[in-house]
Amino acid sequence: EAGVVQSPRYKIIEKKQPVAFWCNPISGHNTLYWYLQNLGQGPELLIRYENEEAVDDSQLPKDRFSAERLKGVDSTLKIQPAELGDSAVYLCASSLGQGVSADTQYFGPGTRLTVL
Amino acid sequence: QKEVEQNSGPLSVPEGAIASLNCTYSDRGSQSFFWYRQYSGKSPELIMFIYSNGDKEDGRFTAQLNKASQYVSLLIRDSQPSDSATYLCAAGPNTGGFKTIFGAGTRLFVKA
Repeated sequence: EAGVVQSPRYKIIEKKQPVAFWCNPISGHNTLYWYLQNLGQGPELLIRYENEEAVDDSQLPKDRFSAERLKGVDSTLKIQPAELGDSAVYLCASSLGQGVSADTQYFGPGTRLTVL
Repeated sequence: QKEVEQNSGPLSVPEGAIASLNCTYSDRGSQSFFWYRQYSGKSPELIMFIYSNGDKEDGRFTAQLNKASQYVSLLIRDSQPSDSATYLCAAGPNTGGFKTIFGAGTRLFVKA
């Protein structure tokens, strides 16, 4: 079974430029998460989708970050404009989303963003 | 503020020893708890989850949960150098649906 797929794996941009990350979750997983992870820290949730609905986006900086999950499958996270402090690893994860054990999250390889 | 606390380490153990990793959580509403392993430059990978008080064993790994003390631990028996990584503890949502909170992780070094 294929895991969570993310692209690109690495991205280097100059500040004020836009950037987009793409995620394809595990087949059949209804819940999709976008996390930000800084060095030496645990993942921090940016947004969580249940199917195509964003059910928790309280930590998403909405002035510059946006996300969408069309048809409840793939998702895109966008930053416009990027700032130096956005340099981090952006992780996508998915889970079945039903019941306690099914909330186990499986992570993609992440996108390492460097803003110069 | 819901929190998950872990000792950042590094925790250093000799090969073959038992490594003990600990985690506390602040929200009594947490129902499920997860241990992830993260190698440097890689994404977190699930080791095991637990949601009942007591012990849960899977191979060389044992997770322990004490909800009264709000404490979760992970024991790694017969530690191997390949176990050297950062171990993330996470407290997962209850049926009310609050988000999973991750700790900052404990770095483990297993010396050959």
